[in-house]
Amino acid sequence: EAEVAQSPRYKITEKSQAVAFWCDPISGHATLYWYRQILGQGPELLVQFQDESVVDDSQLPKDRFSAERLKGVDSTLKIQPAELGDSAMYLCASSPGTYFVHEQYFGPGTRLTVT
Amino acid sequence: AQSVTQLDSQVPVFEEAPVELRCNYSSSVSVYLFWYVQYPNQGLQLLLKYLSGSTLVKGINGFEAEFNKSQTSFHLRKPSVHISDTAEYFCAVSESSSSASKIIFGSGTRLSIRP
Repeated sequence: EAEVAQSPRYKITEKSQAVAFWCDPISGHATLYWYRQILGQGPELLVQFQDESVVDDSQLPKDRFSAERLKGVDSTLKIQPAELGDSAMYLCASSPGTYFVHEQYFGPGTRLTVT
Repeated sequence: AQSVTQLDSQVPVFEEAPVELRCNYSSSVSVYLFWYVQYPNQGLQLLLKYLSGSTLVKGINGFEAEFNKSQTSFHLRKPSVHISDTAEYFCAVSESSSSASKIIFGSGTRLSIRP
């Protein structure tokens, strides 16, 4: 069964350092989502891609967060510099297209701890 | 804009007892509704979803949910729980007719099963 892959699974970094997360969606899925899940809360959408284009990044803190999906396949989410409040689970998901929000599949997530 | 309210942050139940996790939503347009389960340090797994048609939706692991449009609710039920059902459960909503729709998650309900 096809799955969304994410790495690393766990990351510990010091504040003010840079950190990056990688996501490989299910093959053929045109839409890719990055979510942030703070402990005790539900996931919140950070950025949505359709192929290589950003569809929605209204909740992405652009002063320190960036995301790219250069060839419309895998994607990288970067934080620079990291702050203590960035400690959270970062989830990647994919779907066949923007009309297929109901066919969204999630990866295992990256647990970030900022010290 | 849509929103989701999960009325209980924690629900303790005894093994083999029935359980209901409550969810209410708010939206001015037609919606899709979802229940996801999250085990510790893992991503989200879809339990079930309502897209249209029958208001009683059956999902994996013996769970079911009923869509009640007049009460704007989508409560999750299981007639007999097992220790393995211990997890965090998230109710979610999205618009059903927009290509730019995104999933809005509730804050989660932690289900703990006592032997």
